[in-house]
Amino acid sequence: KNEVEQSPQNLTAQEGEFITINCSYSVGISALHWLQQHPGGGIVSLFMLSSGKKKHGRLIATINIQEKHSSLHITASHPRDSAVYICAVYTSGTYKYIFGTGTRLKVLA
Amino acid sequence: SQTIHQWPATLVQPVGSPLSLECTVEGTSNPNLYWYRQAAGRGLQLLFYSVGIGQISSEVPQNLSASRPQDRQFILSSKKLLLSDSGFYLCAWSVLRGNQPQHFGDGTRLSIL
Repeated sequence: KNEVEQSPQNLTAQEGEFITINCSYSVGISALHWLQQHPGGGIVSLFMLSSGKKKHGRLIATINIQEKHSSLHITASHPRDSAVYICAVYTSGTYKYIFGTGTRLKVLA
Repeated sequence: SQTIHQWPATLVQPVGSPLSLECTVEGTSNPNLYWYRQAAGRGLQLLFYSVGIGQISSEVPQNLSASRPQDRQFILSSKKLLLSDSGFYLCAWSVLRGNQPQHFGDGTRLSIL
């Protein structure tokens, strides 16, 4: 079992839909990171969370430390949101991240 | 502002040939530096990380090596590439103190023939 699990692995949505991507982890963490990887491969940082909730535009990220779970929400989804979304946890006491395998999102016009 | 440069963007190499991928960071000092590999359909796997010049930690036994000859330069190398070395390689940096986000380069897509 991976230390960081994401669900779903693949997601297809219609433009305008509300989208939720989930991340569960089994290790002690200092922070959790949501990343976006576009088809060309480049990775962009979306959020870094250690507690609570963060919002940036149409993106919202939440984390529940007790339940070891985080969600990434996209409101009013758009085709340009199509990408792979990756959850990464920064493990306690190390310099290292552990990455989930990603959720491939496709938003149809 | 800080930037990270990684090159080349795409590389096709024959089996048994050597490899050198370079990553440089600008606008910051003494960063943590990382090399990751992303195999097709799989998550990012940490290969090496460095907290200072000449300090390299290897995460998985493999055919690759890393070096940090200067503070903001991180090089991924191989003497003889294997077919299994194919993948997408990403360099990243973060500030030295913990619990800070990583910033990624654009990646190198390596195909071994």
